[in-house]
Amino acid sequence: DSGVTQTPKHLITATGQRVTLRCSPRSGDLSVYWYQQSLDQGLQFLIQYYNGEERAKGNILERFSAQQFPDLHSELNLSSLELGDSALYFCASSYRGASNQPQHFGDGTRLSIL
Amino acid sequence: AQTVTQSQPEMSVQEAETVTLSCTYDTSESDYYLFWYKQPPSRQMILVIRQEAYKQQNATENRFSVNFQKAAKSFSLKISDSQLGDAAMYFCAYRSARSFPDDKIIFGKGTRLHILP
Repeated sequence: DSGVTQTPKHLITATGQRVTLRCSPRSGDLSVYWYQQSLDQGLQFLIQYYNGEERAKGNILERFSAQQFPDLHSELNLSSLELGDSALYFCASSYRGASNQPQHFGDGTRLSIL
Repeated sequence: AQTVTQSQPEMSVQEAETVTLSCTYDTSESDYYLFWYKQPPSRQMILVIRQEAYKQQNATENRFSVNFQKAAKSFSLKISDSQLGDAAMYFCAYRSARSFPDDKIIFGKGTRLHILP
């Protein structure tokens, strides 16, 4: 058990809809990272938050947004969903976001767009 | 930009034998970390082994060891005495040693490892 909790585990929805994925980091971890794993793209970094502030952005679409709340949990919002958004979305956390601190991954949320 | 390449989409090995998974990367940085992650059918991402670029000694974790060739930008994973539980997708990954914000992990596309009984 990594200590990172992601909910829900599975989500099935339709094109054009909006969903919210939730992540609770390990106790004491201040940094949260979101990754997308799709069949043809591997694992891709989306966005990072540190102690409530956005710190780095990767290949995140404008239809996607995220935030980190004062209690350090994070939410990833995906809107105007398309078939290509079907993927496994991982959240990871680390203590200070420094590179020598390992990132601990949650079990992921599997998003299926019908 | 850094890239990670795993040239073997799939591999198979007989149980109890040794297998080596290949990984090459490209970076202009001199200080970084390299990782191997295992993703079993349960889809969890499990850290297998980690190597600091400034260390010449290859990392080992029980049956798992790496061959880190910094000049060649090569980072292979050797699994000895393969077990059925080793069957998984293995991802090679890179992380800059610079302070955040730029400490995201860059993953290769993975190698699916099959263990033959």
